[in-house]
Amino acid sequence: AQTVTQSQPEMSVQEAETVTLSCTYDTSESDYYLFWYKQPPSRQMILVIRQEAYKQQNATENRFSVNFQKAAKSFSLKISDSQLGDAAMYFCAYSWEYGNKLVFGAGTILRVKS
Amino acid sequence: DSGVTQTPKHLITATGQRVTLRCSPRSGDLSVYWYQQSLDQGLQFLIQYYNGEERAKGNILERFSAQQFPDLHSELNLSSLELGDSALYFCASSVDGGRGDEQYFGPGTRLTVT
Repeated sequence: AQTVTQSQPEMSVQEAETVTLSCTYDTSESDYYLFWYKQPPSRQMILVIRQEAYKQQNATENRFSVNFQKAAKSFSLKISDSQLGDAAMYFCAYSWEYGNKLVFGAGTILRVKS
Repeated sequence: DSGVTQTPKHLITATGQRVTLRCSPRSGDLSVYWYQQSLDQGLQFLIQYYNGEERAKGNILERFSAQQFPDLHSELNLSSLELGDSALYFCASSVDGGRGDEQYFGPGTRLTVT
């Protein structure tokens, strides 16, 4: 079964610093997609970044970038120049099949200190 | 604002009752997904529709049903409600529901069963 593990229940970062959130997944598929979603206190789920497994280049969106290690089945999210607005729950998610359903990890709460 | 709308925002009802949650996808999106977020089970995929047809099913209880209408809006019906059904229910939409298609989430409906 495909599973997604986020081993850090909670992380803290100082404003303007860099933080990395970890995610590992278990799959026997070779073609799949990985995502990071942000859920702020408003509870809205916001797509942060998407990675296609067959692309070796790591995805980047402004201050957000990923470190995708396919062999290690690892997909970490790096947030640079952290801002107070980055404080949220972050979910790693995986999809692989025709139905495109997302399988989510348990989430990591990110706190940003001023 | 993702462009996905959900109504109502909050719903409080008693055990044994039936409720209907409504979702309108982003303009142009043909696929709709339903997810449940609860404290004990995290974020779980329930069901997906594409252009009116069911495409994928997840851990959806038999007491729950959904459909997508010709105008592409979707409804999730929950019946014989139990205390454990209390959760945040999200609708998401994507362009064609294909593998890796980016899903955009609505603000959710908070269901409380008393």
